[in-house]
Amino acid sequence: GENVEQHPSTLSVQEGDSAVIKCTYSDSASNYFPWYKQELGKRPQLIIDIRSNVGEKKDQRIAVTLNKTAKHFSLHITETQPEDSAVYFCAALKTGANNLFFGTGTRLTVIP
Amino acid sequence: DTAVSQTPKYLVTQMGNDKSIKCEQNLGHDTMYWYKQDSKKFLKIMFSYNNKELIINETVPNRFSPKSPDKAHLNLHINSLELGDSAVYFCASSRSLAHEQFFGPGTRLTVL
Repeated sequence: GENVEQHPSTLSVQEGDSAVIKCTYSDSASNYFPWYKQELGKRPQLIIDIRSNVGEKKDQRIAVTLNKTAKHFSLHITETQPEDSAVYFCAALKTGANNLFFGTGTRLTVIP
Repeated sequence: DTAVSQTPKYLVTQMGNDKSIKCEQNLGHDTMYWYKQDSKKFLKIMFSYNNKELIINETVPNRFSPKSPDKAHLNLHINSLELGDSAVYFCASSRSLAHEQFFGPGTRLTVL
């Protein structure tokens, strides 16, 4: 099966700085990589995803990069704001698999 | 309109009891899921249900059983509740595994 590792487990940044969260996966056949954000007491929500046919995807202050050779992908948040504070989960899926495999989460705190 | 709804939001019960959590989605999705999120915030897939095919995470005790009366509903029934079952349970749905999952608001289960 797939194994997804996520680092760091906690991350504190000053408002306006950038934050980077990294995930590695074990199965080279994985081809779909979503990122979910979970605010305190709320449900996880998709913020961005990337498929294996592209190396980078951007949506305003959020970007995801994928390195298929090294089997890792990263979430980049620029110009962080206090409302970015949340737990972020990466995940990986391969065609034909039954489930998404989630990372263990990163608690991001943006200090005003 | 709420896309994925769960009831109840909170559930407090005694060890040994049997309880159910209901989930409904109005998105017309074919795939539904149940996740368990423990105190460390790890998201663990319990079940996925796609076009009447049930995929069970092998680590889930058989005290847990999903029931799907129709495509829009996937309820979770738990027998003989144990202290370790205390967690937040999320229902989710998606068009397919490789598409955005929409989560319900969660049910916080506390077993005393």
